[in-house]
Amino acid sequence: GIQVEQSPPDLILQEGANSTLRCNFSDSVNNLQWFHQNPWGQLINLFYIPSGTKQNGRLSATTVATERYSLLYISSSQTTDSGVYFCAGALWTNAGKSTFGDGTTLTVKP
Amino acid sequence: NAGVTQTPKFRILKIGQSMTLQCTQDMNHNYMYWYRQDPGMGLKLIYYSVGAGITDKGEVPNGYNVSRSTTEDFPLRLELAAPSQTSVYFCASSSTAPGQGATEAFFGQGTRLTVV
Repeated sequence: GIQVEQSPPDLILQEGANSTLRCNFSDSVNNLQWFHQNPWGQLINLFYIPSGTKQNGRLSATTVATERYSLLYISSSQTTDSGVYFCAGALWTNAGKSTFGDGTTLTVKP
Repeated sequence: NAGVTQTPKFRILKIGQSMTLQCTQDMNHNYMYWYRQDPGMGLKLIYYSVGAGITDKGEVPNGYNVSRSTTEDFPLRLELAAPSQTSVYFCASSSTAPGQGATEAFFGQGTRLTVV
């Protein structure tokens, strides 16, 4: 299966700072998603972004499918942004076998 | 529209016991998935299904069984519970699109299972 590498593994920010999280894939994926897992364990869909750029409020994401990576940008971070951010994707030829990265743990301090 | 619903939310099992984790979705999605998440780790795929009557193994299928008799339901069965199966279990579903296969996945709230 594909390998998914997320960086950095941990990130500590002051409230109001900006950050960029990265997700690298070992092969081309076609259904890339970003999730936020809050401190209560709930997985929240952030972006479904097989390619291109999307924005939702303070968050945006860019996927460059040909270069096998995706970036998640968080601007003006808030304490409620804390948690773990995961990316996941699957090959088009085996769309059911979605693979998750190990996540980036974000801590935003007031 | 409830999305993906998992029951129970919490369960403690003794070694050797069996149980079924229930998952149902009301979005008419073709694809359904079971993942497990160990502490501090990402999610690992146990089994998935591309439609009623069709299931396939994921990355960590040993010790589990699944069935998919309807589009809505995708139960996960643990036959002989072991401490290594202590984890949080997530069910998910996604639709499909021409030329894309599976699209955006939606997750249930999770089931926290402890085997003692």
